[in-house]
Amino acid sequence: ETGVTQTPRHLVMGMTNKKSLKCEQHLGHNAMYWYKQSAKKPLELMFVYNFKEQTENNSVPSRFSPECPNSSHLFLHLHTLQPEDSALYLCASSPNHEISGNTIYFGEGSWLTVV
Amino acid sequence: GQNIDQPTEMTATEGAIVQINCTYQTSGFNGLFWYQQHAGEAPTFLSYNVLDGLEEKGRFSSFLSRSKGYSYLLLKELQMKDSASYLCAVMDSNYQLIWGAGTKLIIKP
Repeated sequence: ETGVTQTPRHLVMGMTNKKSLKCEQHLGHNAMYWYKQSAKKPLELMFVYNFKEQTENNSVPSRFSPECPNSSHLFLHLHTLQPEDSALYLCASSPNHEISGNTIYFGEGSWLTVV
Repeated sequence: GQNIDQPTEMTATEGAIVQINCTYQTSGFNGLFWYQQHAGEAPTFLSYNVLDGLEEKGRFSSFLSRSKGYSYLLLKELQMKDSASYLCAVMDSNYQLIWGAGTKLIIKP
């Protein structure tokens, strides 16, 4: 139990579907993140929210749309995805983005397969 | 550009010692992190180094040399449960984490 919970753990969706990934953190943190993890590649930062404000969007295609209603919850809305978007999507949280030593804590991840 | 290098895969024997190296080139430095990730699970935090030297935490130790852009994670008295991927990440001057691709450690009996 990491204190960061993601649902669903596994998702299979067609290219025309709309789905959402959900993340909740119970650590009292102020920053939340979405990462993409593909086999044998470094973690790719997608989005950062610090105190509910989006501070990072690393050139992520618009078919991925984040939402952060409060400091404890984060969503990733998915629509018209491509097969190459199949990957493990990791949510994470940390006390405060942009401070030295800021340790991030990950959820278990959502395995996404686009067919 | 910014870059983190670590070996793709290593194999070691149960009970032995293994050292996983990480070299980095980043725009500034605000600390280096090591994470452990078992297959199908979340990466979990192992260590953080911001000053040169060795940090020991039980069977695991992490070393940093900022002048050489180099770190290693040392695992002693290896156990089968240590089979996992080990991720090295550096926080740059903009507090962005730059990640390596991870080292898959295989422990054999």
